[in-house]
Amino acid sequence: QSVLTQPPSVSAAPGQKVTISCSGSTSNIGNNYVSWYQQLPGTAPKLLIYDNDERPSGIPDRFSGSKSGTSATLGITGLQTGDEANYYCGTRDSRLSAVVFGGGTTLTVL
Amino acid sequence: QLQLQESGPGLVKPSETLSLTCIVSGGSTSSSNYYWGWIRQPPGKGLEWIGSIYYSGSTYYNPSLRGRVTISVDTSNNQFSLKLSSVTAADTAVYYCARLADSTWFAYFQYWGQGTLIAVSS
Repeated sequence: QSVLTQPPSVSAAPGQKVTISCSGSTSNIGNNYVSWYQQLPGTAPKLLIYDNDERPSGIPDRFSGSKSGTSATLGITGLQTGDEANYYCGTRDSRLSAVVFGGGTTLTVL
Repeated sequence: QLQLQESGPGLVKPSETLSLTCIVSGGSTSSSNYYWGWIRQPPGKGLEWIGSIYYSGSTYYNPSLRGRVTISVDTSNNQFSLKLSSVTAADTAVYYCARLADSTWFAYFQYWGQGTLIAVSS
């Protein structure tokens, strides 16, 4: 059971928009920065969003992040088949003194 | 361009100690600007943080693994290592090494190695 809760799967058609939620508590998301990672099939995770809503260089602006209270959201617009991947949120948990991740969400582009 | 490469045995027997090394190129483990870390992923499952280490040797470990895990840094050879003792089948996973974004142990993971699968089996 992950400390951060993500939906197991989401799906949408090419060109559409999708959001992936990440729910936590005041000991993690509520008082710490959130990052998001994309893991394409058979590859290592890749940083997608950091500090809640910042994109590393090279990440298209189709990807966005936001945080409100104890939840964070990853948004992807203009979906492409190449976006099919597992997406993970991560943050610090101050009570556990640990870095924690969500259980991951599988995105299917229909 | 920073690159990280995990190296390890591939197969470890139950109750033995798993040992992995992360070789860093294009960057320096002696830099005071960053922490370095280990993350693992059991087959078909999510990510689990194992621990993080600073160039000085300061370490932070996942409480769920504390007592079994040791992370060390070898700045002269530009690498850092993971040892996990008393392994069981539950420790079978792809193990990733990574560089964190800054000098805090809980920063996001900015660069990742390709990962190496470690199976625990007799």
